[in-house]
Amino acid sequence: DTEVTQTPKHLVMGMTNKKSLKCEQHMGHRAMYWYKQKAKKPPELMFVYSYEKLSINESVPSRFSPECPNSSLLNLHLHALQPEDSALYLCASSLDRNTDTQYFGPGTRLTVL
Amino acid sequence: AQSVAQPEDQVNVAEGNPLTVKCTYSVSGNPYLFWYVQYPNRGLQFLLKYITGDNLVKGSYGFEAEFNKSQTSFHLKKPSALVSDSALYFCAGTTGGQGGKLIFGQGTELSVKP
Repeated sequence: DTEVTQTPKHLVMGMTNKKSLKCEQHMGHRAMYWYKQKAKKPPELMFVYSYEKLSINESVPSRFSPECPNSSLLNLHLHALQPEDSALYLCASSLDRNTDTQYFGPGTRLTVL
Repeated sequence: AQSVAQPEDQVNVAEGNPLTVKCTYSVSGNPYLFWYVQYPNRGLQFLLKYITGDNLVKGSYGFEAEFNKSQTSFHLKKPSALVSDSALYFCAGTTGGQGGKLIFGQGTELSVKP
């Protein structure tokens, strides 16, 4: 089973709202990732967690706040977003964070009004 | 700088014909190369990967890719295209020590017509 689940599927929020995206995997993977993807463009890496510790932050604005409560869960907390943050947010996981295959979830389509 | 390039934004193929989606890479060290497919409003789906060993890699749904070190290429191929293969294809690469950072190509839109 190579399933990564993400909730919600769609999210519409105003610029003053606080919301969270959730990602879950039960494959025993120890690396988890957040990506942002604009239409027909490649995913852009935002954060990497390895063994529940943040290992890479690609200079993401502080209005995005990741959290890894345990080895199966990854959250992305959103606050005071801008309309240009509207995108598909993808979560991925891999056995380890070096060269293993990353498996992606279906994504959350975020619209910021 | 390390990079992955997909020189074609779009590839059009007739159903039943062979398809090729091109990818070239420039990474230091031994490359780890991947192909992903993305259907509309979906996440990326893993197709195949090259780590080491045989230059011809077989993957899901009848796809295969050939690693060519001298040409620094990793083209995706399928002998007989299906309409359902129409999607956005991404080539990606990394090397050991990158901490999980995948370098993606810009993507190629494959359109298979009946």
